[in-house]
Amino acid sequence: ETGVTQTPRHLVMGMTNKKSLKCEQHLGHNAMYWYKQSAKKPLELMFVYSLEERVENNSVPSRFSPECPNSSHLFLHLHTLQPEDSALYLCASSQEWGFDQPQHFGDGTRLSIL
Amino acid sequence: GENVEQHPSTLSVQEGDSAVIKCTYSDSASNYFPWYKQELGKGPQLIIDIRSNVGEKKDQRIAVTLNKTAKHFSLHITETQPEDSAVYFCAAQGYSSASKIIFGSGTRLSIRP
Repeated sequence: ETGVTQTPRHLVMGMTNKKSLKCEQHLGHNAMYWYKQSAKKPLELMFVYSLEERVENNSVPSRFSPECPNSSHLFLHLHTLQPEDSALYLCASSQEWGFDQPQHFGDGTRLSIL
Repeated sequence: GENVEQHPSTLSVQEGDSAVIKCTYSDSASNYFPWYKQELGKGPQLIIDIRSNVGEKKDQRIAVTLNKTAKHFSLHITETQPEDSAVYFCAAQGYSSASKIIFGSGTRLSIRP
């Protein structure tokens, strides 16, 4: 069983749709992350949650709205997205938030905005 | 802001030969340097990491070296095999608990049979 599971794996949506990405970790970790991965660019950290509290928000547009109901689940709610938001969205977790914490990634959701 | 530069962006080596990927970081406070491997259709997976109190770390065919004075670190893969084909990312993080991890832009490694 994969430690970090993301659903759906693929998502195609129009600019006016509302959808959500889901992430679940089975590792007992206390920190969870959302990243955006675009072609030929470094991974972009979007949000960090530690013990269900948001501790990092990297100037992400408000059309992306994260939610962390408990330490095992993380959601990314999407609405009114733009074509440039098409990318692979990766969820990750680590034992704690902070220095020297290896991150465990899910396999991502490939998002395409029409 | 802080950044990590990674070279080369693509690398093709003959099976059995060695591959070297290099990264340079800008934040002198960086102390943790992980390397991730991303196979097609998968998320990145940690393969090795090094902390600033050591200069080299090895795990079977993979080794990482760190030069803090020059602010660069490298990944070495020896006796490459077809399953080593993937995209490799380096990263750097400072010691502060609030310090974000900064990733390089990746190296696509192809192993020629």
